[in-house]
Amino acid sequence: KQEVTQIPAALSVPEGENLVLNCSFTDSAIYNLQWFRQDPGKGLTSLLLIQSSQREQTSGRLNASLDKSSGRSTLYIAASQPGDSATYLCAVYGQNFVFGPGTRLSVLP
Amino acid sequence: NAGVTQTPKFQVLKTGQSMTLQCAQDMNHNSMYWYRQDPGMGLRLIYYSASEGTTDKGEVPNGYNVSRLNKREFSLRLESAAPSQTSVYFCATHETSGFSNQPQHFGDGTRLSIL
Repeated sequence: KQEVTQIPAALSVPEGENLVLNCSFTDSAIYNLQWFRQDPGKGLTSLLLIQSSQREQTSGRLNASLDKSSGRSTLYIAASQPGDSATYLCAVYGQNFVFGPGTRLSVLP
Repeated sequence: NAGVTQTPKFQVLKTGQSMTLQCAQDMNHNSMYWYRQDPGMGLRLIYYSASEGTTDKGEVPNGYNVSRLNKREFSLRLESAAPSQTSVYFCATHETSGFSNQPQHFGDGTRLSIL
C-alpha cells in the first residue's frame, strides 16, 4: 500500500527566505507526482506536476524535483513572500492518487 | 469556465439524516473522485469513477454510496449520517485518456457537520 509522508508538518520563515518542503513515498511505481497549494477553507490548487520520467519542473519561483528510485520529491520556493502562506500537499499517482498530510507554511512579513 | 462545482458549500445534519453531495464538471474528464479531508490525515479517497457508469471503492467507503449517471456529474450520498462523517468533502476530476500524466482538478469542497 502506498504511503506518503511530508516533512516538516509546519514551517515558519521570515519573508525573503528560500525554503524546501519534502515529500516521501514508499512505492516507486508511480505515473506522476503533483504538488498542490491549499488556502484555509479552500480547495486544492495544482502547482506543479512531475511525470515519472522527469527529474524536475519549474513554475516561476517554484521548483519541484523527483527522485523516483529513492521515493522522494522536494518543492523549492525561492524568495518566499507572505502570500505563499498556505498548506502544501503532495500526491502521487499510481493505481490511484495518494496524498501526504501536508506542510503548513507561514511566511512572516 | 467553472471547472469543478460542488453543492452545497456548507451543511449541518443531525445523526441519522440522509443527504446527497453533488459534483459537476465541465472539463470533459473521464475520471471523478470523492475525498474527505480530516485534520492531520490528509485527503482520503472515498469512491471514484473511472468512466461514466462505473464506480469503485476507495480507502474509506463505509457509510457512503455514489452515483455516476453521466460524464458530468458524480454524487455522494450519506444514507444515515454519523458524527464520524463530519469532515470536508472534495470532488476532483482527472483526464485518463492517453498518457496518465494529467493533473487532478478540485472543487472548493463541502463542509459537513453532523450533530
